[in-house]
Amino acid sequence: EDQVTQSPEALRLQEGESSSLNCSYTVSGLRGLFWYRQDPGKGPEFLFTLYSAGEEKEKERLKATLTKKESFLHITAPKPEDSATYLCAVQATGGSQGNLIFGKGTKLSVKP
Amino acid sequence: ETGVTQTPRHLVMGMTNKKSLKCEQHLGHNAMYWYKQSAKKPLELMFVYNFKEQTENNSVPSRFSPECPNSSHLFLHLHTLQPEDSALYLCASSPQHLRGNPATGNQPQHFGDGTRLSIL
Repeated sequence: EDQVTQSPEALRLQEGESSSLNCSYTVSGLRGLFWYRQDPGKGPEFLFTLYSAGEEKEKERLKATLTKKESFLHITAPKPEDSATYLCAVQATGGSQGNLIFGKGTKLSVKP
Repeated sequence: ETGVTQTPRHLVMGMTNKKSLKCEQHLGHNAMYWYKQSAKKPLELMFVYNFKEQTENNSVPSRFSPECPNSSHLFLHLHTLQPEDSALYLCASSPQHLRGNPATGNQPQHFGDGTRLSIL
């Protein structure tokens, strides 16, 4: 069964304190891995798509990486405005093919 | 307007009421989705429409009834809901749904801001 697990469930950082969020996945075959950001009272906002192991993508203070079993979202020198829930989702080639399987998310709080 | 718009943003209804949620996308996409988001749970896919045809019903109770009159509009008709149906209902769209098409590249789904539904 296709599955996505995100850790930690919640993360509190001081402004400028870099860290990483983890997304572990189990799928029959990976078609793509997606990262989203969700602010309170809003829908998920698309950040990145990763397709194959070794791929990396960057956007401002965020960098997403992918291996055959997991993805990391690295946050460098975070600011309070980076506070949000970060969601990871996978799209598989078999079973749930075509559909996004989401993790529960990591709630990030960045204090000034 | 651009993106995916959902109305209403908030809805409170009794268990015997009938109401509808509306979603409209201005992205020129051909696939639309309904998701349910409950606290401490992952997003749950409910329905998928691809080129106005329903291609997925993820074992959703019949008290939820989707309608897709065209590729830009999606509705979720609600009747005789239960307290456990209280949640954030999210609509999303993508260029097309990729089920069974290994030759097609991955395309992210774009979400609206949801309707917060409370069942009394």
